[in-house]
Amino acid sequence: AQSVTQLDSQVPVFEEAPVELRCNYSSSVSVYLFWYVQYPNQGLQLLLKYLSGSTLVKGINGFEAEFNKSQTSFHLRKPSVHISDTAEYFCAVTPLTGGGNKLTFGTGTQLKVEL
Amino acid sequence: SAVISQKPSRDICQRGTSLTIQCQVDSQVTMMFWYRQQPGQSLTLIATANQGSEATYESGFVIDKFPISRPNLTFSTLTVSNMSPEDSSIYLCSVVAGGMRAQYFGPGTRLTVT
Repeated sequence: AQSVTQLDSQVPVFEEAPVELRCNYSSSVSVYLFWYVQYPNQGLQLLLKYLSGSTLVKGINGFEAEFNKSQTSFHLRKPSVHISDTAEYFCAVTPLTGGGNKLTFGTGTQLKVEL
Repeated sequence: SAVISQKPSRDICQRGTSLTIQCQVDSQVTMMFWYRQQPGQSLTLIATANQGSEATYESGFVIDKFPISRPNLTFSTLTVSNMSPEDSSIYLCSVVAGGMRAQYFGPGTRLTVT
């Protein structure tokens, strides 16, 4: 079984400042990792994914994440946030084999960008 | 990726009634999923819906409460039966598409049970 921990339930940040949203996971097998964003009153949008290869993954809207296998982390970063980045961010994992493509989600981090 | 639509987008229902949520995908997909997102919480998988077979339910979810149909490779329905206020949630469908193991989500159905 897998579990995902997002320690920060809320992250306030000023516009144009950098931000890091933390994600740690636990799994007895290798996993694929994802970050999703949920804007107010909308569904989930895929930000980026790590399947294999380079551990630094670039996604949409200027976000990137780095996979660290030894620390079982997949933190999301953006060097300069915009007011429009205000949303809920979810980290998720699925096992490489078996598991039926089921996603296990973290509890989410609310990013609030302030002027 | 895949473009997914859901109907209705929101509804307010009385307890004891049932609501059927539709999920339509713009391409043929093998695997579809139904999730529930309770207010202020993360997503919980209800079931996996594969065409031509019975849906597979996760622990805590039963077919009598959440019957699912999957008549073809582009469409599925989830029914929330005999609703109570505790069923007030966002219900989302998702699909695996593009051969890259990523799931793509519909916009969700916001259900309020009074």
